[in-house]
Formats: sequence, structure tokens, C-alpha cells
Amino acid sequence: DAGITQSPRHKVTETGTPVTLRCHQTENHRYMYWYRQDPGHGLRLIHYSYGVKDTDKGEVSDGYSVSRSKTEDFLLTLESATSSQTSVYFCAITGNTDYEQYFGPGTRLTVT
Amino acid sequence: AQRVTQPEKLLSVFKGAPVELKCNYSYSGSPELFWYVQYSRQRLQLLLRHISRESIKGFTADLNKGETSFHLKKPFAQEEDSAMYYCALVLYNQGGKLIFGQGTELSVKP
Repeated sequence: DAGITQSPRHKVTETGTPVTLRCHQTENHRYMYWYRQDPGHGLRLIHYSYGVKDTDKGEVSDGYSVSRSKTEDFLLTLESATSSQTSVYFCAITGNTDYEQYFGPGTRLTVT
Repeated sequence: AQRVTQPEKLLSVFKGAPVELKCNYSYSGSPELFWYVQYSRQRLQLLLRHISRESIKGFTADLNKGETSFHLKKPFAQEEDSAMYYCALVLYNQGGKLIFGQGTELSVKP
């Protein structure tokens, strides 16, 4: 499973609270991505990183921020969770020599 | 604009029947496309990529640049093929990001 883990795997939180999801890789890969998966929308890119402290926005970045202080960790923060952010969040990494992405197991987030 | 379209949300077939999951793309350059599969409550995994031209689990996909399509086919569906399938396009000019289609759920009935 390409050495990618996500934590927590499940979380229920209340509207307005901050939430941080963690993605950890043991592959020393440069590129990391955060997606959300919603029925009818497929996977949509939230943010991505191309190196330590180098991040950029994806197509649905509003309400989310990220940080990458170490190669192996990519954090996704929901600054003030809303019900529309209830989703399954996937982290992915890209190998250093091709474009195939390897995915983590996902985090199911429910905002009540 | 770059875009990937999977027109069918759900495709239901009987075991042994042929399967074709449709994928159309819009991209100005030379495309590189993948099919990913997600079995129930599991992580996404790569099924195949067009540049390798291989067959995985009996599935094949041919890139048709004239029709801008990359349909996934299997001649005889199996129950274990039931899953969510995503077509994805590489954006070379954006650091190799992938954009995904909306996904097609394949249900193979016994």
C-alpha cells in the first residue's frame, strides 16, 4: 500500500470547530495531494505539495489550508468545519519518476 | 479546458456479460490517461494506464484520440469486478496533477 497512512480514519466534529487531518508517507516522495470524494463529483483536488513548505491550491481549496514541514507529513486543516465539508478525504503521493498516484486509506469526516 | 467525463453513474450487468465503462476527455496536448478502481471501502488503486497497453484482470482500454475517449472494456464481467471506477487525466503543464471523472459504479449481478 505504498507506505501511506492517514489519521484519524474516522472523525465526527461539530460545525465551527477546526479539524486537522494527517497524511504520512514512508516513501520519500516529493509530491503529495489531498482530495475529497463525494458522490456525483468523483475526486476533487483540494491542495497539493511539491516539496517541503511548497504547496498550492487545487480546485476546491476554499475553507481548507495545508502545511508540509517535513517530507513525510502533509496536514490538511479545516479552519472552521461546515456541514458541506462532510466527505471522505484521501491523501495521495506521486512517484518520483512517473505520474501514477498512490492513495491512502481515506478519512471519513462528518460535520454535524 | 481540461476535463474528464464519465457519463454513467451506475452500470449494472450480469455475470459473464461484456462491460464497457465510458470515459471522454478534453485536453489540448498529448494525453496520458489512467483507470483507477476502488473496491468497497478500500483505497483507490491503479488498474491500468494507456501507455503500458496491458491487460489487468481482463480489462483493457484503448486511447482513441479522434474521439477523445479512453473506454474501459472487459469481455466477461465477474462479480468481483463490482467496484467504483475512475478515469483520470494527467496535466503535464500543472506539475503532473490528475483530474478525475465523476466515477462509474459497476455492479455485476450473479
